[in-house]
Amino acid sequence: KQEVTQIPAALSVPEGENLVLNCSFTDSAIYNLQWFRQDPGKGLTSLLLIQSSQREQTSGRLNASLDKSSGRSTLYIAASQPGDSATYLCAVITYKYIFGTGTRLKVLA
Amino acid sequence: GAGVSQSPSNKVTEKGKDVELRCDPISGHTALYWYRQSLGQGLEFLIYFQGNSAPDKSGLPSDRFSAERTGGSVSTLTIQRTQQEDSAVYLCASSLVLADGANVLTFGAGSRLTVL
Repeated sequence: KQEVTQIPAALSVPEGENLVLNCSFTDSAIYNLQWFRQDPGKGLTSLLLIQSSQREQTSGRLNASLDKSSGRSTLYIAASQPGDSATYLCAVITYKYIFGTGTRLKVLA
Repeated sequence: GAGVSQSPSNKVTEKGKDVELRCDPISGHTALYWYRQSLGQGLEFLIYFQGNSAPDKSGLPSDRFSAERTGGSVSTLTIQRTQQEDSAVYLCASSLVLADGANVLTFGAGSRLTVL
């Protein structure tokens, strides 16, 4: 059974720091991996989708990498801002999405 | 429609009542998924539909939960005899075909259920 774990569970950093969020999964037989952010009381916002043939994707200050063989993905956020405060979720994709446990990020001004 | 539409957006009910949550997927999307997010928890898969059939309903937490899809479009998630632990946000998502290497899910805004 696929299990997706995110570390750390919570993170509080001062504005401007570069940070790394980790996602690990137990079964490497996945198609894609997707990172989302979720603001309190809101729905999901897709950040980056990494297809199985790719190793990383970049969008602005965000960079996500995928290493299927080791069952790991990382989301790198450069020069963090208070507006980045949210819960970040990774999801591994086969015929359905299996979500990770999430990382609650707080960026302090 | 332009996106996945869910109704109601908020529902408050008394313990023991039945509730129905509705999902209108994007027009033409054949695959439809239901997820649940309890307070402070991650997103938990409940069931998915391919057309009107549900090949995987392994995530439904008990026999009080059921879902159907008609006409390959609208889906209804029904919770009978609601309990307080059913309080959660119920998210629906759809994709053109089964989520695979080429297709991703579009999520609705969710239905927030509160059982008193």
